[in-house]
Amino acid sequence: DAKTTQPPSMDCAEGRAANLPCNHSTISGNEYVYWYRQIHSQGPQYIIHGLKNNETNEMASLIITEDRKSSTLILPHATLRDTAVYYCIVRVYSGGGADGLTFGKGTHLIIQP
Amino acid sequence: ETGVTQTPRHLVMGMTNKKSLKCEQHLGHNAMYWYKQSAKKPLELMFVYNFKEQTENNSVPSRFSPECPNSSHLFLHLHTLQPEDSALYLCASSQDIRTGKGDTEAFFGQGTRLTVV
Repeated sequence: DAKTTQPPSMDCAEGRAANLPCNHSTISGNEYVYWYRQIHSQGPQYIIHGLKNNETNEMASLIITEDRKSSTLILPHATLRDTAVYYCIVRVYSGGGADGLTFGKGTHLIIQP
Repeated sequence: ETGVTQTPRHLVMGMTNKKSLKCEQHLGHNAMYWYKQSAKKPLELMFVYNFKEQTENNSVPSRFSPECPNSSHLFLHLHTLQPEDSALYLCASSQDIRTGKGDTEAFFGQGTRLTVV
């Protein structure tokens, strides 16, 4: 079972920042927070991941609370192409090996023109 | 283009047919995965291969048979499927962090849309 809780859907106006919340209250000390998104009928796409510090890349920013029980993915200037299902996943990063991802139902983000 | 290519993109097969799905990655990764995405259900991990060895089988029925001849290719052989097996089958690859190279994020193919009639 997924260890995260996300709202099933959200709307955001084009050009505004989209803030997607995720609760992971049972996260362990060695688990990272990963975000992926899936545009309709395509494979999931990696966005960003982090442990406890805030992270930023060319796609998004990840804000993790100090107690690590929740996080927010921020798309700074949402476009219509950002309409997708966004998945928040917690997983162990270190420790080696290859392990699959456990997906929940995610948040369907709809960008409105 | 993610560097992970799946063929065919669409497949319709009868319940008595035998078919195979193919996945190829050009990213130099050593781990490959099969996922299943049924309508209105989350993606489900099916199989994991690491350095060509199967390391995980998530209680998948034997009518699904994976094969990993090398680190770049992954197959999913299908036989005597049921209509409820109709789904989007996704392949992914990633790097085993123990190699000390790269990151562990997974790269997914576009998937094969399978319909069993």
